[in-house]
Amino acid sequence: EVQLVESGGGLVQPGGSLRLSCAASGFTFSSYSMHWVRQAPGKGLEYVSAINNNGGSTYYANFVKGRFTISRDNSKNTLYLQMGSLGAEDMAVYYCARIGPTSALDIWGQGTMVTVSS
Amino acid sequence: EIVMTQSPATLSVSPGERATLSCRASQSVGSNLAWYQQKPGQAPRLLISGASTRATGIPARFSGSGSGTEFTLTISSLQSEDFAVYYCQQYNNWPRTFGQGTEVEI
Repeated sequence: EVQLVESGGGLVQPGGSLRLSCAASGFTFSSYSMHWVRQAPGKGLEYVSAINNNGGSTYYANFVKGRFTISRDNSKNTLYLQMGSLGAEDMAVYYCARIGPTSALDIWGQGTMVTVSS
Repeated sequence: EIVMTQSPATLSVSPGERATLSCRASQSVGSNLAWYQQKPGQAPRLLISGASTRATGIPARFSGSGSGTEFTLTISSLQSEDFAVYYCQQYNNWPRTFGQGTEVEI
């Protein structure tokens, strides 16, 4: 079964850091580009970051402003998002998603919640 | 950054009726547009890519059309399981951007 499973979310203090992980299974992870997308409570979907299949190219939303770093370990079939300088505006469910053959996001994980609070 | 604008924000329909959702891009995205469905507490699901191609397993009652800056998602006969929020997304330019969503409610 093709699957993405996120982990690493939780409660973090303002200004703190967190690393999210996304474990892939059921497909050749190293052949696909990947995205992170987030959704604040009660809000819409917001693109965060993307990485190509070998990790050589990365893309970030403007609001990331150097605070987040996307990476991947193809030997572990895992995608990462290192987040720093977190603020209340970063509180959201973070989804990883696969960029499919049509360039749309064809497989999504279940999401992991990031809560920023003191 | 390309701004995606969806309308209406909320669409009230009855089961069996036709629903038409619109998505407009602030500049041309060609046919590089996708539609996603999201139900409460669930991850989004890909419905349509390339503006009009249904994803695997998506029922034929879902159809997409348009190109350039104007796009439409049509649900020909709403089923109870179709009540959800629908998002469009362009993948022609970086950063990829989503519309704000249309909620289809009873």
